[in-house]
Amino acid sequence: DTAVSQTPKYLVTQMGNDKSIKCEQNLGHDTMYWYKQDSKKFLKIMFSYNNKELIINETVPNRFSPKSPDKAHLNLHINSLELGDSAVYFCASSFPAGGSNTGELFFGEGSRLTVL
Amino acid sequence: ELKVEQNPLFLSMQEGKNYTIYCNYSTTSDRLYWYRQDPGKSLESLFVLLSNGAVKQEGRLMASLDTKARLSTLHITAAVHDLSATYFCAVEPGTYKYIFGTGTRLKVLA
Repeated sequence: DTAVSQTPKYLVTQMGNDKSIKCEQNLGHDTMYWYKQDSKKFLKIMFSYNNKELIINETVPNRFSPKSPDKAHLNLHINSLELGDSAVYFCASSFPAGGSNTGELFFGEGSRLTVL
Repeated sequence: ELKVEQNPLFLSMQEGKNYTIYCNYSTTSDRLYWYRQDPGKSLESLFVLLSNGAVKQEGRLMASLDTKARLSTLHITAAVHDLSATYFCAVEPGTYKYIFGTGTRLKVLA
């Protein structure tokens, strides 16, 4: 039973199109994240949500719009795709660090987006 | 701006050898995380270091944390091919925001 699942795993699309990536976690975590991993393997946080509320928005273009319908789901919609959006997008979840919670992140399998 | 730097960025080593990966960070953080990523795969948690002086070991890997020096190390003992992967450290300077290091691509040669 997959803990953090993302769909689709692969996306190939043309510039200017709109696409969505979905993420679901069954770990009961309160916090979910989107990370972008570029071709050099650098991982950069994009968004974090806690109990459906946006907490972190790291200067991501407003073409990227996250949505969290409940605390187990965090989706990412991207409008007007550009070549530079090509990357692997990882969803992750955790309990907030503190107390008995280590705060370690659990990652999905990643969604590889290729914009042509 | 918070920076998390790892060195080396690339490491090619022979089986059976020892080596250390370093992770330096530029802000106060009591916690530090190490993750492993195999090519084309997701990230897997290796260690969570929760306080100054923390040391954790799993198999041939040992991680330590010095919060005063803002330094963590990941030591590899008697490397084997199966350890080939990219290793990331990460800090959490404020709740809900984890900053990852640049990654160290390790290749263990038979």
